[in-house]
Amino acid sequence: EVQVLESGGGLVQPGGSLRLSCAASGFTFSSYDMSWVRLAPGKGLEWVSGISGSGATTYYADSVKGRFTISRDNSKNTLYLQMSSLRAEDTAVYYCAKGRYNWKEPDYWGQGTLVTVSS
Amino acid sequence: DIVMTQSPLSLPVTPGEPASISCRSSQSLLHSTGYNFLNWYLQKPGQSPQLLIYLGSNRASGVPDRFRGSGSGTDFTLKISRVEAEDVGVYYCMQAQQTPPTFGPGTKVDIK
Repeated sequence: EVQVLESGGGLVQPGGSLRLSCAASGFTFSSYDMSWVRLAPGKGLEWVSGISGSGATTYYADSVKGRFTISRDNSKNTLYLQMSSLRAEDTAVYYCAKGRYNWKEPDYWGQGTLVTVSS
Repeated sequence: DIVMTQSPLSLPVTPGEPASISCRSSQSLLHSTGYNFLNWYLQKPGQSPQLLIYLGSNRASGVPDRFRGSGSGTDFTLKISRVEAEDVGVYYCMQAQQTPPTFGPGTKVDIK
């Protein structure tokens, strides 16, 4: 059974940093692109970042480019999202998702981890 | 970026009756391969999103056959032949034709 499990969310002050992790199981992790998608309070889903199976290629939404870094450790079946210079508008539930064909097509999603940026 | 719109944004439904959601994109989602890179997701209350339909009309694994996706180019439809109580939640269409992938605003489906 495919499972992805996020962790690392919490309360952080504006300008602060946080690293999210996503532990994957039930599939050959290195063979699949992965992505992060967020859901802000009262808003719709927003794609944040994607990464190829090898980790060689990464993609970012303009809203997070230069502040967030996606990476993966295929030896640990784990995806990461390093977030810095956090803003109030980054407050959201962050979902890790496995790519169906590529990182642009999430199929299996985790339960999400809440990031709150507030002073 | 490709802009996705959905209608209606709110859809009260009666169990056993059909329901339909429309999704439109600002640019064609038809790829040179002949596939439309349009997915449908359902986020049930308190749960994470789940993939219902990919490539416009293909049901994901485990999705009941009462869900059907159709359309091509810029106009797409998700139809539920007979709504069940477990189908409530927010339905999103999403385009995967271009980077960045973008979602529609969501259609909230609840029971009348």
